[in-house]
Parts: sequence; structure tokens; C-alpha cells
Amino acid sequence: DTAVSQTPKYLVTQMGNDKSIKCEQNLGHDTMYWYKQDSKKFLKIMFSYNNKELIINETVPNRFSPKSPDKAHLNLHINSLELGDSAVYFCASRLGETQYFGPGTRLTVL
Amino acid sequence: AQSVTQLDSQVPVFEEAPVELRCNYSSSVSVYLFWYVQYPNQGLQLLLKYLSGSTLVESINGFEAEFNKSQTSFHLRKPSVHISDTAEYFCAASNTGFQKLVFGTGTRLLVSP
Repeated sequence: DTAVSQTPKYLVTQMGNDKSIKCEQNLGHDTMYWYKQDSKKFLKIMFSYNNKELIINETVPNRFSPKSPDKAHLNLHINSLELGDSAVYFCASRLGETQYFGPGTRLTVL
Repeated sequence: AQSVTQLDSQVPVFEEAPVELRCNYSSSVSVYLFWYVQYPNQGLQLLLKYLSGSTLVESINGFEAEFNKSQTSFHLRKPSVHISDTAEYFCAASNTGFQKLVFGTGTRLLVSP
């Protein structure tokens, strides 16, 4: 009965590669998010979608492209990975004032 | 624009001692305040929130926070901590619509026996 799930949990890859992270929520929420948490635990919003429509894009490099095939899914594709992309990426969904976070995907770029 | 400041990056305490984690915010508009907790290797979970009404809000596991408008603070307190409270605590702010949460840099609470 996982509420917000992400795959994979860990992702190790070389610089220059392209990778995707998938997120699914079974809560029926309309709004979903991607956050990046850096090595100092600082958490920053990247994108937000509402019912498959992009509503927040926090000046993230265009190597990052979110895709929402339906309101239960929000995937994150990253092109030409760089060392600085190493972080934990969290997906979240929102109902009212409360956000529900996934377990995170730890991306390591070598 | 909103911002949230958590001055303490780490707070070590002994089990059963009281603790206060500090949070200050800046906002030129109405603000709603939250504390989220992140246990090791997990995602964030809502601990408690202030939306309106009573300025003292409580969680189910003994934490409380008080909204202080004059001091622009929302400090988190617990009178007696447990080992299991060891986690990263994030203060966050949002404005009307709750579309965007702005997080502080987090405070790591380390509870030792």
C-alpha cells in the first residue's frame, strides 16, 4: 500500500549518460513534485505538475525534463549527466497543505 | 519572497532531555509553517503544521511548535526525547495555495543514551 514510490532507489552512472527516475503515487492527488536534496541535506524544489500540467519550473537546467503521462505518474529524465547532478531526488504529491514524499532516489554520477 | 532559516545544523542531546530546534522565517505575506521529519534513508514526513488559529500546535509523538508572529519564529520543542527521535528536521513555509514549500537547511537531532 505504498503511497509514493520511486524507482530506482539507487542509480550509479557515468558522466554524460542519460537516465530516468520514475515516480508513482496511488493517493489520487492532482499535484506532484520533484525535489533535489544535495549532500548538505538542502532540499530544493525542481518542478511541480498539476494534473499533468507543468506549473512550477525552478530554473532547472534543460537537461532535466519531467514527464507526466497521467496524474499518478511523474518521471524525471536527465540528459548528459554531470558530477553536480549527484544528489538524492525526491518525488512528492500534495493534497491541500500536506506533501507526501517518496523514499528518494540516490543518484551518483562518476 | 519567503525564506526559512534553521541556525542549528546539528543538535546533540541525551535521551529524556528536552530539546528545542529553532526556525525563523521571513515573508511579506500570509505564511503557513510546517515541520517535516526525515528518518535515515527515508523520505520526509509531515510532523506538524500551523495554518491558523491556536499558535501552539502539537504532533502525535510529543513534539510541539509555537507560531510567534512578532519574532517570526516557529521553534520545535519536545520535553523529553527518545533515541528514536534521531532524525533530520526541516522547517518549511508556504503561502496561500500551498503550491510551493520553501525549506530550511535542516537540523540533525542526535539523541544518545
